[in-house]
Amino acid sequence: AQSVTQLDSHVSVSEGTPVLLRCNYSSSYSPSLFWYVQHPNKGLQLLLKYTSAATLVKGINGFEAEFKKSETSFHLTKPSAHMSDAAEYFCAVSESGGGADGLTFGKGTHLIIQP
Amino acid sequence: NAGVTQTPKFRILKIGQSMTLQCTQDMNHNYMYWYRQDPGMGLKLIYYSVGAGITDKGEVPNGYNVSRSTTEDFPLRLELAAPSQTSVYFCASSYLPGDGYEQYFGPGTRLTVT
Repeated sequence: AQSVTQLDSHVSVSEGTPVLLRCNYSSSYSPSLFWYVQHPNKGLQLLLKYTSAATLVKGINGFEAEFKKSETSFHLTKPSAHMSDAAEYFCAVSESGGGADGLTFGKGTHLIIQP
Repeated sequence: NAGVTQTPKFRILKIGQSMTLQCTQDMNHNYMYWYRQDPGMGLKLIYYSVGAGITDKGEVPNGYNVSRSTTEDFPLRLELAAPSQTSVYFCASSYLPGDGYEQYFGPGTRLTVT
């Protein structure tokens, strides 16, 4: 069975400083990995995805993530935080070739941006 | 394209009442999903469908039913509402499952059962 652990429930950074949101996964097969962002009272928007191609994945709004199989990690980073980045971030995993049974999500990381 | 639309946006139910949450997508996606999101938790899969006429249970199906008579629509029914079903419900669709094909999410329905 697959699972996702987001290591921090809250992360607070100052505007203009780097962002690091940590995600570890467990999967029996070669996984596909996703980061979604959810702004208050909104649905989820895909930031980026890993699908067994390049291990460093670039997404929207300056975010990127690196797939590290040896560490079973898929941490999300951004060089310089912006106030508009304040939101809830979810890491999710899907087992490739494993069928249609949806994504498994982590519990989320609440990103706070200090002015 | 409107993407994935959900109605209603908000609803308050009394214990024991029933209701249907509507979900429609206009992207001709075969795969559709219902998730619930409880405070401080990630999304949990309730039911999913791989095409019209085919549905299957997810991680937390108890107390819910679904149907898929068309490619576009995937309604979720609560028969006897309970306080434990207070949650935000998200519908999603995708062209293919997993394998990097992203799921597109609707804006959610916030349901309170009192």
